[in-house]
Amino acid sequence: DAGVIQSPRHEVTEMGQEVTLRCKPISGHDYLFWYRQTMMRGLELLIYFNNNVPIDDSGMPEDRFSAKMPNASFSTLKIQPSEPRDSAVYFCASSYQGELGYYGYTFGSGTRLTVV
Amino acid sequence: SQKIEQNSEALNIQEGKTATLTCNYTNYSPAYLQWYRQDPGRGPVFLLLIRENEKEKRKERLKVTFDTTLKQSLFHITASQPADSATYLCAPNTGGFKTIFGAGTRLFVKA
Repeated sequence: DAGVIQSPRHEVTEMGQEVTLRCKPISGHDYLFWYRQTMMRGLELLIYFNNNVPIDDSGMPEDRFSAKMPNASFSTLKIQPSEPRDSAVYFCASSYQGELGYYGYTFGSGTRLTVV
Repeated sequence: SQKIEQNSEALNIQEGKTATLTCNYTNYSPAYLQWYRQDPGRGPVFLLLIRENEKEKRKERLKVTFDTTLKQSLFHITASQPADSATYLCAPNTGGFKTIFGAGTRLFVKA
């Protein structure tokens, strides 16, 4: 498997523009997570899905952020309108729950977002 | 509120020695706890997961302990190598599959 695939790797956009980040989880994983990482706040959980259904979106900072998972192999995180304080590295991760319980997450390489 | 504390200062050790990293958590009882490694410019990489009914877990040169009474996990790297230099993140779950990450401890192993 190619692992968790995120695109784009880098995104530079102007304030006010819409930004869409994409993620393809590992096949067979039924959990998908979106995290954001900054120097000041570290890794923050934004939202996670189980079997394509959003389970907890309490970490989504504002209504400007939205996430979807239309099928088991694709998810998007959208910011509209974007602001400079949204600049961060956004990670997608996937995992599964097996017979022995929980297993570790596999992270993608991240999308470095810069809003100017 | 739920809180995770890791050694805030960087840890510098000599090659061949054992590195020990600490993770303390407060105000909740995780069912399991994970440790990750993160290199600059890359995503975290999963290392080990330990469940609340396990006291210790090993994988090659890595060892993790989980003391639910002390609310603490220790992460050990034995016979450390310069290639072990990275940031190590502790991640206890907060309920179900939800996990929050500590700020991480930077480890430097000198040759």
